[in-house]
Amino acid sequence: GENVEQHPSTLSVQEGDSAVIKCTYSDSASNYFPWYKQELGKRPQLIIDIRSNVGEKKDQRIAVTLNKTAKHFSLHITETQPEDSAVYFCAASKGSASKIIFGSGTRLSIRP
Amino acid sequence: SQTIHQWPATLVQPVGSPLSLECTVEGTSNPNLYWYRQAAGRGLQLLFYSVGIGQISSEVPQNLSASRPQDRQFILSSKKLLLSDSGFYLCAWSVPRTGRSGEAFFGQGTRLTVV
Repeated sequence: GENVEQHPSTLSVQEGDSAVIKCTYSDSASNYFPWYKQELGKRPQLIIDIRSNVGEKKDQRIAVTLNKTAKHFSLHITETQPEDSAVYFCAASKGSASKIIFGSGTRLSIRP
Repeated sequence: SQTIHQWPATLVQPVGSPLSLECTVEGTSNPNLYWYRQAAGRGLQLLFYSVGIGQISSEVPQNLSASRPQDRQFILSSKKLLLSDSGFYLCAWSVPRTGRSGEAFFGQGTRLTVV
């Protein structure tokens, strides 16, 4: 079955710097790759997603890149702010009718 | 608009007691439904998912079970809880129709402590 690996498990960056979180997936049939942000004690919420027919997608300070050949995708956060501190999860699925497998999460801390 | 309800928010149960967590979705029909568990400081582990009434796929062998008695109702159960069952349980749903995003929408979660 699908396996999603996520690195690093923890990341600390200076406010204003960029943060990058990387994920790899095992099932080449996966075609949907969402990223979720989970603040302390709250539910995960989607922040950005990408489909396999797209190589890059950007939404303000957040961008995601996908390399289908290498089966990896990354989350890039630029100009980090204190409110970016949270746990971030990548995920992969084979479409809207299949299960969604999550990575192990990255705890991002923004240093003032 | 669609909403998901999950209850209770917190639960403390003794070892060996039964468990029943309920999740309902409003505003959509025939959703995909999921149960995830998040241990302290860990990732989201998929426990069960369902694509329709009575259709349950189990991802991890354990003493938990799931049922979907109605289209928009998903129940997580155990006959006898173990200490290792403690964690944050999240119910989620996604749109099954081709062309939609497949994004998962999560309930508020249930923090279960087995003592």
